[in-house]
Amino acid sequence: AQRVTQPEKLLSVFKGAPVELKCNYSYSGSPELFWYVQYSRQRLQLLLRHISRESIKGFTADLNKGETSFHLKKPFAQEEDSAMYYCALKTSGSRLTFGEGTQLTVNP
Amino acid sequence: NAGVTQTPKFRILKIGQSMTLQCTQDMNHNYMYWYRQDPGMGLKLIYYSVGAGITDKGEVPNGYNVSRSTTEDFPLRLELAAPSQTSVYFCASRPLDRAPEYFGPGTRLTVT
Repeated sequence: AQRVTQPEKLLSVFKGAPVELKCNYSYSGSPELFWYVQYSRQRLQLLLRHISRESIKGFTADLNKGETSFHLKKPFAQEEDSAMYYCALKTSGSRLTFGEGTQLTVNP
Repeated sequence: NAGVTQTPKFRILKIGQSMTLQCTQDMNHNYMYWYRQDPGMGLKLIYYSVGAGITDKGEVPNGYNVSRSTTEDFPLRLELAAPSQTSVYFCASRPLDRAPEYFGPGTRLTVT
């Protein structure tokens, strides 16, 4: 069965520090992975997807099939990055399986 | 485009009452989804639809029903509300299988 694990429920860093939000997955097929972000009192929005291999708002994520990971990274965190981040795995039937989320707080 | 809209924004229900959460999208998307978001639990898929007239159960369908009579609308029905259904409900849609999902603003439901 497919599963997404985000081991850190809470993550706190200082402005300007590097940040890494961890995501591990288990899936027998070919994975398609996403990061979604939810700012305070706003709707979820797509941050990035692994097939695009892009950098959004300074964030990058690399799919590591050997370690079954898709960690989200940013070299210099900003206060506006404070939000809830969800890692998601797309499986059969066009369904997304979400991790439990990591609440990131960037302190001034 | 208004995107994905949900009504109401907030609702308080008594145990045993019923209600319908409305979801509408004006982007002509085929795929639509209902999720619930509980603190520390992430998002769980309740029901989804791949087109008008087609619906299927997700991970946590018990206590809910859906219908998809048009492409635009995907209402979620709670027949006998229970405290365990206290949650934030998100509707989402996507145009194609490989496209990202667009989420609505959510409905915060409390059952007491």
